[in-house]
Amino acid sequence: GQQVMQIPQYQHVQEGEDFTTYCNSSTTLSNIQWYKQRPGGHPVFLIQLVKSGEVKKQKRLTFQFGEAKKNSSLHITATQTTDVGTYFCADLSGTYKYIFGTGTRLKVLA
Amino acid sequence: EPEVTQTPSHQVTQMGQEVILRCVPISNHLYFYWYRQILGQKVEFLVSFYNNEISEKSEIFDDQFSVERPDGSNFTLKIRSTKLEDSAMYFCASSPTSGGGNIQYFGAGTRLSVL
Repeated sequence: GQQVMQIPQYQHVQEGEDFTTYCNSSTTLSNIQWYKQRPGGHPVFLIQLVKSGEVKKQKRLTFQFGEAKKNSSLHITATQTTDVGTYFCADLSGTYKYIFGTGTRLKVLA
Repeated sequence: EPEVTQTPSHQVTQMGQEVILRCVPISNHLYFYWYRQILGQKVEFLVSFYNNEISEKSEIFDDQFSVERPDGSNFTLKIRSTKLEDSAMYFCASSPTSGGGNIQYFGAGTRLSVL
């Protein structure tokens, strides 16, 4: 079945540093969603990417969908302690089924 | 703000027992999902549900699992005979639309501990 991998698995950064997580698939990605899960919390929707090469921004967060639709990335500029959590990408596989990536756990050191 | 609510927040059960996890999706949503997350691991799709029937299910969702929407508001996940490996956080989610347009809203989850 489809495998959606994220790298890195863990990332520790100093507050103010940038952070990037990459989402890669063994098959062509269909429709990527990004979620954030705070420690002890539940996934919260951040953004959806549909088109090849698409770039979307939300304040300090930049989301990108690869030209070949085999990967996606989330970049956070100047991290803050509130950015702590695990970031998951999820690909639409079928009409009503999302396959989540392995996640990247971000820790921000003040 | 509308939210998905799940009860109980924590369920402890003995191996072999049946459990029912309950969810109340957001009221005007049409699509419902169950996911599970073993501690520290990724979120795994179990099943999606629309128009009173299962739309898609994963390999994890075997004959021990069933879902139901008994009264138009609740959405339940039943595990017939729990195993130790069923211990996980179970998340319910709902969305107003399908396919490429759906944003999934997750509940806070039920932590299932099988002893």
